[in-house]
Amino acid sequence: GAGVSQTPSNKVTEKGKYVELRCDPISGHTALYWYRQSLGQGPEFLIYFQGTGAADDSGLPNDRFFAVRPEGSVSTLKIQRTERGDSAVYLCASSSDRNQPQHFGDGTRLSIL
Amino acid sequence: GNSVTQMEGPVTLSEEAFLTINCTYTATGYPSLFWYVQYPGEGLQLLLKATKADDKGSNKGFEATYRKETTSFHLEKGSVQVSDSAVYFCALTHTGGFKTIFGAGTRLFVKA
Repeated sequence: GAGVSQTPSNKVTEKGKYVELRCDPISGHTALYWYRQSLGQGPEFLIYFQGTGAADDSGLPNDRFFAVRPEGSVSTLKIQRTERGDSAVYLCASSSDRNQPQHFGDGTRLSIL
Repeated sequence: GNSVTQMEGPVTLSEEAFLTINCTYTATGYPSLFWYVQYPGEGLQLLLKATKADDKGSNKGFEATYRKETTSFHLEKGSVQVSDSAVYFCALTHTGGFKTIFGAGTRLFVKA
């Protein structure tokens, strides 16, 4: 079946611009996670959704980062006033329940020039 | 806070060699432990897991045993193949939690 889908696969933009990254989880998965992976590092937790609500957003680095999941399925990670330090691969994962294994998408590679 | 430390790579082995990738963790309570693998050009995928002390996770010839006394979860395989070349990540999730903490990853190269 279809896995976790992330779009775009690559995004290049200028410093100061606004970006939106989309995640389409596996159908029926209620838990959704966003991570950020910098070069040579493991994924770093950003936010967790259970259904429509953000159960834990403690990993968001600052208030330029925001994520939504309005209908409990697709999620969008939004970054305002992008900075060069935001350049990374942004990973999305979903699971049928928070205690079940997470299935990862291929990620969006974000480059801020 | 919770953390995961794994051996630095890259690790380069010949085909059929024995593999060990060390992983130690710091956590309160009883976390669940995982190994994830990322093959070239592919997304991260779960390789194996263990949810309590002395559990052994296994998959595709890989094994790891949850050792609470040494806070370790070392990954082993008796005979590696070229197709095992990938980046391996050790990770933990605290009991009842959902925030997964990953190690920095260890890149494995297997030569024919």
